[in-house]
Amino acid sequence: AQSVSQHNHHVILSEAASLELGCNYSYGGTVNLFWYVQYPGQHLQLLLKYFSGDPLVKGIKGFEAEFIKSKFSFNLRKPSVQWSDTAEYFCAVNRNGGSQGNLIFGKGTKLSVKP
Amino acid sequence: DTGVSQNPRHKITKRGQNVTFRCDPISEHNRLYWYRQTLGQGPEFLTYFQNEAQLEKSRLLSDRFSAERPKGSFSTLEIQRTEQGDSAMYLCASSLDRETMNTEAFFGQGTRLTVV
Repeated sequence: AQSVSQHNHHVILSEAASLELGCNYSYGGTVNLFWYVQYPGQHLQLLLKYFSGDPLVKGIKGFEAEFIKSKFSFNLRKPSVQWSDTAEYFCAVNRNGGSQGNLIFGKGTKLSVKP
Repeated sequence: DTGVSQNPRHKITKRGQNVTFRCDPISEHNRLYWYRQTLGQGPEFLTYFQNEAQLEKSRLLSDRFSAERPKGSFSTLEIQRTEQGDSAMYLCASSLDRETMNTEAFFGQGTRLTVV
């Protein structure tokens, strides 16, 4: 069965620190990969997604993610976080060709940024 | 607001009662999804519709759960004979899935169910 693992449950950083959140998936076939963010009190929003092509994907708000097929990984990065990045981040995967809404999510990583 | 709308936002019910939640997707979206999220977990897929047809159901969707999308617009999720284990956030999402255009899923803010 497909699954998504997010390595960190809670990450605490100071403003301007660099961020990397880990995500690994288990699925042998071709997959589509997503990072969603949920700000406090708000709905899930898409940060970025990878379907094919350049494995370095740039998303909104300065976030990027790198797909490494050999490692089954899709880590999220940001060079310098801001207090406003405080949120919960979810990695998700679906089968290539499947609906973009039929997703398997990781458990999420809560990011707290100290001002 | 033209996003996905869910009602009610919160629902407290006694064990054994039936509850129904409503989801209004983004108007042109033909696909609609239901997810459940419990504390400390990511959203778990329950079911999805293409227009009015229910195309896939998760094993999580026991026979006490039923979802409908009668006219291919809004959807309802009903839980019969609620149990304490049903306490969770129920999320709805929608997307546009056509040959020439596919969008990501847009999520609503969810309905938080508490069964006491």
